[in-house]
Amino acid sequence: DSGVTQTPKHLITATGQRVTLRCSPRSGDLSVYWYQQSLDQGLQFLIQYYNGEERAKGNILERFSAQQFPDLHSELNLSSLELGDSALYFCASSKLSREQFFGPGTRLTVL
Amino acid sequence: GQQLNQSPQSMFIQEGEDVSMNCTSSSIFNTWLWYKQDPGEGPVLLIALYKAGELTSNGRLTAQFGITRKDSFLNISASIPSDVGIYFCAGPPTSGTYKYIFGTGTRLKVLA
Repeated sequence: DSGVTQTPKHLITATGQRVTLRCSPRSGDLSVYWYQQSLDQGLQFLIQYYNGEERAKGNILERFSAQQFPDLHSELNLSSLELGDSALYFCASSKLSREQFFGPGTRLTVL
Repeated sequence: GQQLNQSPQSMFIQEGEDVSMNCTSSSIFNTWLWYKQDPGEGPVLLIALYKAGELTSNGRLTAQFGITRKDSFLNISASIPSDVGIYFCAGPPTSGTYKYIFGTGTRLKVLA
């Protein structure tokens, strides 16, 4: 158990809908990262927050947004969902920008 | 953009055999991380490397930070069935960003 929690574990929704994925980092970690992993693919970095502020952005679509709250938990919002958005979404956290510890992921299925 | 290429892409080995895999980059890295991912699960950190030439072990796993800083190697000794999974290398480029790049992965299958 990495200490990073993610909810929900599974999410099934329809095209055009909006969903919110939630992540709680390990105790004491200020950085939260979001990744997308499509079927049998590697991990694609989406976005990083550090202590509530956006620190780095990857290839995150404009339909996606994220935020980190004062209690350090983070949410990833995905809107106008398309079939191609079906993937595993992982959250990771770290104290400094070094070792990242991953949560169990949220499997999103868009029908 | 920057890429981390891992080889081999996949491998079948017999239980008890040693395994070697590597990760190469087109640019210099200051940190190398090795992760293992089981199907449908989150990646689990195995080993972290911070200095060129560094050799670090974690049980049967040994990883090295290449002296050119453009590659890293992971060895697994005396493989067992639970070593099955996908092994990823990862790291932040030295450009000062926090955008970790993950390798393409090596899929390991162990035959009992």
